[in-house]
Amino acid sequence: DAGVTQSPTHLIKTRGQHVTLRCSPISGHKSVSWYQQVLGQGPQFIFQYYEKEERGRGNFPDRFSARQFPNYSSELNVNALLLGDSALYLCASSSRAISYNSPLHFGNGTRLTVT
Amino acid sequence: AQSVTQPDIHITVSEGASLELRCNYSYGATPYLFWYVQSPGQGLQLLLKYFSGDTLVQGIKGFEAEFKRSQSSFNLRKPSVHWSDAAEYFCAVGGVDSSASKIIFGSGTRLSIRP
Repeated sequence: DAGVTQSPTHLIKTRGQHVTLRCSPISGHKSVSWYQQVLGQGPQFIFQYYEKEERGRGNFPDRFSARQFPNYSSELNVNALLLGDSALYLCASSSRAISYNSPLHFGNGTRLTVT
Repeated sequence: AQSVTQPDIHITVSEGASLELRCNYSYGATPYLFWYVQSPGQGLQLLLKYFSGDTLVQGIKGFEAEFKRSQSSFNLRKPSVHWSDAAEYFCAVGGVDSSASKIIFGSGTRLSIRP
């Protein structure tokens, strides 16, 4: 079975631009969460979606948005990119709405570099 | 505010030696506790989790962790490390937000193995 897949794997953008990151969860998983991992730090929670509804939001500015599609795949959008947005963006899927009660399965991430 | 502290940024141990990675958390109630491992260029993999019950939990790859409420700690141990254990290890706490699957990660401990 395929794991969590993320695209693209690497991305270079310029300050002020917009970026869209994509995630396909494990088949059958209805919950998708997004995390930002800055170099040298642990992942930080950005969003969780379950059954196409937002179920949680971390402490990130409104420049960050996300959505989940009927097939449970998800997109993370970041507008007006800043240098500080450079990070590894991780997507995780799980079978339940409350993901800490069921294992989170992480993708390999998208490495975003903002210049 | 809830937080997770991993006091050791980098640890080097000899192959075959025992290992203990430290983790302290700050949270009012009994938390959901996790250890994840991240190999270079990859996403995170769950090693083990504690929700309730026996305070010594067994995980994959021969790892175990012990929950000590009095010390607010959840240290990870392995009796004999292998070169393949070299990676970044993250302690995490969940259940801090009943509305979401937010998991708070520590800043990680990088493990190097000396041949």
